[in-house]
Amino acid sequence: AAGVIQSPRHLIKEKRETATLKCYPISRHDTVYWYQQGPGQDPQFLISFYEKMQSDKGSIPDRFSAQQFSDYHSELNMSSLELGDSALYFCASSKGQGVFTGELFFGEGSRLTVL
Amino acid sequence: AQTVTQSQPEMSVQEAETVTLSCTYDTSESDYYLFWYKQPPSRQMILVIRQEAYKQQNATENRFSVNFQKAAKSFSLKISDSQLGDAAMYFCAFLRLTYGNKLVFGAGTILRVKS
Repeated sequence: AAGVIQSPRHLIKEKRETATLKCYPISRHDTVYWYQQGPGQDPQFLISFYEKMQSDKGSIPDRFSAQQFSDYHSELNMSSLELGDSALYFCASSKGQGVFTGELFFGEGSRLTVL
Repeated sequence: AQTVTQSQPEMSVQEAETVTLSCTYDTSESDYYLFWYKQPPSRQMILVIRQEAYKQQNATENRFSVNFQKAAKSFSLKISDSQLGDAAMYFCAFLRLTYGNKLVFGAGTILRVKS
């Protein structure tokens, strides 16, 4: 079965530009999570969605927004990019509340470089 | 808020030997999951092992096992018969079973395997 798909895998942007990352969860997974991992750091939770509604919010800057669509894929939109936004962005998916099986499946990550 | 502490920034082990990575966490919750994730140089997040808090029996997955001490809030990972391919960053992570199901990661331990 296909895993979590993230695109693009690599992205280079200039400061103040906008970037959009996409995440396609595993089939029948209704929950999507976004994490940001800076160089040499542990992954930090940004935001999650369950059944197209935001379910939790972490340390996500106001310049970032995200949503989950009817087909359960999710997009993370980042505007006014700063050098500090350079990081590996992970998406993970799972079955949601009440039927959580104890595992989040991670994508391979999207590496954003801001110049 | 939940916190996860990995007190060993780096560990080394000789090939074929056994190594234990430490993790402690802080929570007031009674129902949660604990995980160990492996992140090799490819930066992929790979689930190594998971433990459900309500289960007293320690989880095992082939050469990987945990020592889960719920009262002490300790969750160590033992790798037996270490292999060169085990070299990676290892993250301990906590997941509280609530709306959102977000993972909180420790700072990570770099494991080096010597031949």
